[in-house]
Amino acid sequence: EADIYQTPRYLVIGTGKKITLECSQTMGHDKMYWYQQDPGMELHLIHYSYGVNSTEKGDLSSESTVSRIRTEHFPLTLESARPSHTSQYLCASSDGGELFFGEGSRLTVL
Amino acid sequence: KNQVEQSPQSLIILEGKNCTLQCNYTVSPFSNLRWYKQDTGRGPVSLTIMTFSENTKSNGRYTATLDADTKQSSLHITASQLSDSASYICVVSDRGSTLGRLYFGRGTQLTVWP
Repeated sequence: EADIYQTPRYLVIGTGKKITLECSQTMGHDKMYWYQQDPGMELHLIHYSYGVNSTEKGDLSSESTVSRIRTEHFPLTLESARPSHTSQYLCASSDGGELFFGEGSRLTVL
Repeated sequence: KNQVEQSPQSLIILEGKNCTLQCNYTVSPFSNLRWYKQDTGRGPVSLTIMTFSENTKSNGRYTATLDADTKQSSLHITASQLSDSASYICVVSDRGSTLGRLYFGRGTQLTVWP
């Protein structure tokens, strides 16, 4: 079973609020990823990191930012949430082979 | 354009029946193909990973096949159970970095009725 955790699982906030989605893994993986998933659609890569102090933007343009200060921690931040940010956010980590996903954070912006 | 297409989009079967889900891809170069199961409101969980040289791989009641020449894969579920109700996602990786670039299908939503 994968040891990758996301909090919160569900979040409902108002427009303009700042939010941080937490992601932690205890497997010592260097590679971590954030995906966005809307119902019935494919996962889209929004950020990834190949190690501490290394972050890159993914394929899908996103107004979110990420940081990688510790190997096990890869938080995603939205400075000013908007209704268009309503989505499911999935964190994943990898040892270069298998990809392990967290349970996801369902964000709703009113 | 690198794409992964899955069919059918949704499927309803009765408990105990078998079913087959399809995945066609245009990703090139090809490194591996993965099938994931995603329960509603949960993260995807890996079922199988197949490389170019593998034609068939099983994981319990799940059997994946790969035809790299025609760029097609299938996931066969035997003796379905209610817990098989989920979205099944096909993911193809190209050659590149260790993990490669991943291309996701939109998934097939399977519902198993009692």
